[in-house]
Amino acid sequence: GEDVEQSLFLSVREGDSSVINCTYTDSSSTYLYWYKQEPGAGLQLLTYIFSNMDMKQDQRLTVLLNKKDKHLSLRIADTQTGDSAIYFCAERDILTGGGNKLTFGTGTQLKVEL
Amino acid sequence: DTAVSQTPKYLVTQMGNDKSIKCEQNLGHDTMYWYKQDSKKFLKIMFSYNNKELIINETVPNRFSPKSPDKAHLNLHINSLELGDSAVYFCASSRGQRSTNEKLFFGSGTQLSVL
Repeated sequence: GEDVEQSLFLSVREGDSSVINCTYTDSSSTYLYWYKQEPGAGLQLLTYIFSNMDMKQDQRLTVLLNKKDKHLSLRIADTQTGDSAIYFCAERDILTGGGNKLTFGTGTQLKVEL
Repeated sequence: DTAVSQTPKYLVTQMGNDKSIKCEQNLGHDTMYWYKQDSKKFLKIMFSYNNKELIINETVPNRFSPKSPDKAHLNLHINSLELGDSAVYFCASSRGQRSTNEKLFFGSGTQLSVL
């Protein structure tokens, strides 16, 4: 079965870089995602990476994918207090009946301190 | 205009009651989902409908029954509520295309508290 693991907490200082890590088990995953959840809100898609890529950069966000080790990371440059949230990685399974199933990681609570 | 809207935002009820949560999306998506987030923030899929047809039914008790009257709506009815049902329930939708990158759009959640 699918299993997506993340460390539970990360604390950084404002202006530093944050690196959030994720390991997954399903080697057939085609897309891997990073979602952000702010308090009292739903999940918001931040970025994604296709499985044949090993890096994707999107402004302050850098996604690294090591497919051999099934390891995904999200780097946030110049972390701001507004980045404080829970970050979820997710892997995608394509369903034969249509639609998609996203299996989410356990979530990493990022706290940004002044 | 909210893309995925669910009501109510908060639901407090007694054990044994029956309650419903409604979800609507105005994105023209074919697929809708219900996810449950427990107190440790762990998210798990419960159901998914593609064009009103059930395609995912994870090991969810029979007390939970999703209903999709049309592809823009996916409601969740829960019978005989138990304490362990307390969680935040998220509705989501996606275009439902298998061959391209799919993005899920989430509602803001329904906090269910069973007393």
